[in-house]
Amino acid sequence: GQQLNQSPQSMFIQEGEDVSMNCTSSSIFNTWLWYKQDPGEGPVLLIALYKAGELTSNGRLTAQFGITRKDSFLNISASIPSDVGIYFCAGRVNTGTASKLTFGTGTRLQVTL
Amino acid sequence: GAVVSQHPSRVICKSGTSVKIECRSLDFQATTMFWYRQFPKQSLMLMATSNEGSKATYEQGVEKDKFLINHASLTLSTLTVTSAHPEDSSFYICSAKGRAGELFFGEGSRLTVL
Repeated sequence: GQQLNQSPQSMFIQEGEDVSMNCTSSSIFNTWLWYKQDPGEGPVLLIALYKAGELTSNGRLTAQFGITRKDSFLNISASIPSDVGIYFCAGRVNTGTASKLTFGTGTRLQVTL
Repeated sequence: GAVVSQHPSRVICKSGTSVKIECRSLDFQATTMFWYRQFPKQSLMLMATSNEGSKATYEQGVEKDKFLINHASLTLSTLTVTSAHPEDSSFYICSAKGRAGELFFGEGSRLTVL
């Protein structure tokens, strides 16, 4: 089946630093989504991307939908302690009915003061 | 934003018993809900797609008789883990599809089978 590989697997950064993570696929997706999951909670949607080449921001977060439709990246600027968590990319093939999400392997972010 | 609620958030049961987990869309109707399973430090793996008024569609390798899914109304889907065993211990998460196709996730339910 489809697989999404995220890198890096984990990151240890200092507060105030910028963060960059990416997601690559062996196949094409029509939609890319980025989620954050806190321990013991469900994922929360951060950014949704619907068009190849699209660059979208949400506060300190910026994500881009790769031109090839096989990759996406997420940047977090000026990280703060509450950015700690696991970030997942997710891809979807169809934007219409009952379309399934394929989740990436996750990037664990730790922020030190 | 739309809210999806799961209950219970944590459940501990004895091996051999059945456990039901509920997933509710609180402020919107969802004809489609999804059930995921997540092991520690791993990603979410889709188990099944739950469709209101019809049978669920299970992913390859997921036993439909083991994980019973019922989507009886537009706001409620249930996952029943039958004859649970310790290897069924996991974090189970549901999501509901909103009108624009976006997915909203529940808080997750942690099942521990002793």
